[in-house]
Amino acid sequence: EDKVVQSPLSLVVHEGDTVTLNCSYEVTNFRSLLWYKQEKKAPTFLFMLTSSGIEKKSGRLSSILDKKELFSILNITATQTGDSAVYLCAVKEYGNKLVFGAGTILRVKS
Amino acid sequence: DVKVTQSSRYLVKRTGEKVFLECVQDMDHENMFWYRQDPGLGLRLIYFSYDVKMKEKGDIPEGYSVSREKKERFSLILESASTNQTSMYLCASSFVGWDRDRNNYGYTFGSGTRLTVV
Repeated sequence: EDKVVQSPLSLVVHEGDTVTLNCSYEVTNFRSLLWYKQEKKAPTFLFMLTSSGIEKKSGRLSSILDKKELFSILNITATQTGDSAVYLCAVKEYGNKLVFGAGTILRVKS
Repeated sequence: DVKVTQSSRYLVKRTGEKVFLECVQDMDHENMFWYRQDPGLGLRLIYFSYDVKMKEKGDIPEGYSVSREKKERFSLILESASTNQTSMYLCASSFVGWDRDRNNYGYTFGSGTRLTVV
């Protein structure tokens, strides 16, 4: 059965800390891995990764994929309270479906 | 800005009621999806549709049905609501292929409907 596992399930950090969120996957026909940030409503798109070893960056966020070891990490440097959210990892297989992990709840304290 | 709109933000229904959750997108997307989101379980796919009048079961279709009579609208139906269907329901839509402008598949989510069945 296809699955996506995120860790940790939750964490609390202080402003300015750096955090690393993990996502491992086992899917039959991997096509790409996506990261989303979900605050109180709709998940919003952060990154899509299709190739191993190529880091994607957006401001203080970055992400990288390892297709050999079947995992991805999402890094957030110099965290701010506005980074508090649920971070979702999803894998897209051939076809149109996304398989989601359970999410990591991040809380950044001031 | 492109949008996926869910008709209700919060809904409270009684056990046994028939419940309709509506979702409308204005992006001319071919694909539409219904997920439910529960703590510790993430988003789980209920049903999806890749064309008008076409539907496919997701991972947890039991107790649900869907309707897609028009390309922009995808409805989720709970035939007889039960308390274990209390959840956050998220609708999403996407292109079939790659969206170069967005550098992704254009997956866009609605704001969600928090359904409570009492």
